[in-house]
Amino acid sequence: QVQLVESGGGVVQPGRSLRLSCAASGFTFSSYTMHWVRQAPGKGLEWVALISYDGSNKYYEDSVKGRFTISRDNSKNTLYLQMHSLRGDDTAVYSCARVGEGQQLVSYFDYWGLGTLVTVSS
Amino acid sequence: SYVLTQPPSVSVAPGKTARITCGGNNIGIKSVHWYQQKPGQAPVLVIYYDSDRPSGIPERFSGSNSGNTATLTISRVEAGDEADYYCQVWDSISMVFGGGTKLTVL
Repeated sequence: QVQLVESGGGVVQPGRSLRLSCAASGFTFSSYTMHWVRQAPGKGLEWVALISYDGSNKYYEDSVKGRFTISRDNSKNTLYLQMHSLRGDDTAVYSCARVGEGQQLVSYFDYWGLGTLVTVSS
Repeated sequence: SYVLTQPPSVSVAPGKTARITCGGNNIGIKSVHWYQQKPGQAPVLVIYYDSDRPSGIPERFSGSNSGNTATLTISRVEAGDEADYYCQVWDSISMVFGGGTKLTVL
């Protein structure tokens, strides 16, 4: 069965960096566009970034452009989110999500991970 | 940037019909997807491409999209439908979510 398991979250000081991972299993990872979505405590869903199935296309939400980098290693079935210059408003649960239509950049999400909590605090 | 507006809350009695709206400029020309999220759980897709229902989602869930409003309709509401619901669209080069609607079953 499809599984997405995030890791790498934790407490980090403002201005520091953190790398999140999303381990995928149960499907052909290299055939699917993947996204990162975050949810601040008690708040709604916010899209963060996407990466195409082959890594050739990447898009970011405006507030993370230049600070976050999405990448993937298809040989390891793993999605990453490198976060730099973290701010308090980056505090959230970060989840990876699979696009339901495989190689489409934008479509519905058919599977989500449970997420990993990132807390930015001094 | 594109904005999707949802009512913060909707309340409905069991067995009645709940309608959750998602407003956006000319949203009718976009594809709208809907998710249900229960506390501590990952979101679950309940409607995609305006009105299609994934396998495993009850027929009680339906969707429509026209003009400036998309609507998620839940018929014969059950206690288990109590959750947060989010609409989603793609605009330009950005994915957008509505602010979410908390459905309370009275």
